[in-house]
Amino acid sequence: TVVTQEASFSVSPGGTVTLTCALNSDSVSTYYYPSWYRQTPGQPPRTLIYNTNIRSSGVPDRFSGSILGDKAALTITGAQVDDEADYYCVLFMGRGISVFGGGTKVTVL
Amino acid sequence: QITLKESGPTLVKPTQTLTLTCTFSGFSLTTSGVGVAWIRQPPGKALEWLAVIFWNNDKRYSPSLENRLTITKDTSKNQVVLTMTNMDPVDTATYSCAHYYFTSSKANVFDYWGQGTLVTVSS
Repeated sequence: TVVTQEASFSVSPGGTVTLTCALNSDSVSTYYYPSWYRQTPGQPPRTLIYNTNIRSSGVPDRFSGSILGDKAALTITGAQVDDEADYYCVLFMGRGISVFGGGTKVTVL
Repeated sequence: QITLKESGPTLVKPTQTLTLTCTFSGFSLTTSGVGVAWIRQPPGKALEWLAVIFWNNDKRYSPSLENRLTITKDTSKNQVVLTMTNMDPVDTATYSCAHYYFTSSKANVFDYWGQGTLVTVSS
């Protein structure tokens, strides 16, 4: 099982970027309970989104989750310099097993 | 307030067995839907899910590492222990434990993480 994310994205301050999370063996749906995390250097990941589109407590509403076609997606609307980080998705594969994507490095400039 | 902290050796030799302990507070590993997971991250690389143990003692492992991993819990001590056998330099990584939640309303969430501990495998 391979979960694929874009390696990198660049976005201008105030711009919008959509990151995706794909599965090599199937279309991603809500049944995979996609969740999204943000990680900055030297820090543990922080939960942004779970159950596809529910924002974790304290997460700004400029972060939104969805299913786009056959992939899970994380959209950052009105990107800020502080949003520069690595973003990871996680899919639930059933039988208690989760798989992380390879991560997307987002640059805001 | 939920906290988790990893402890264990920072350096292990190839072929040795790694034993890591996650000591947590602020939640009970007897609560339905709760688990503690281990995730690792090689320097400069992506996160990799390793294993999880649930409140009911159900245990799950990454299929690619299943034959090398064992996860156990000591509810009385609020600890979860991960052992990984036959360590190799490619296993050099920061190993982290996380509070994991899986219920119908909040599923597949690693919502609290420890800071992680860097384990280097070298002779």
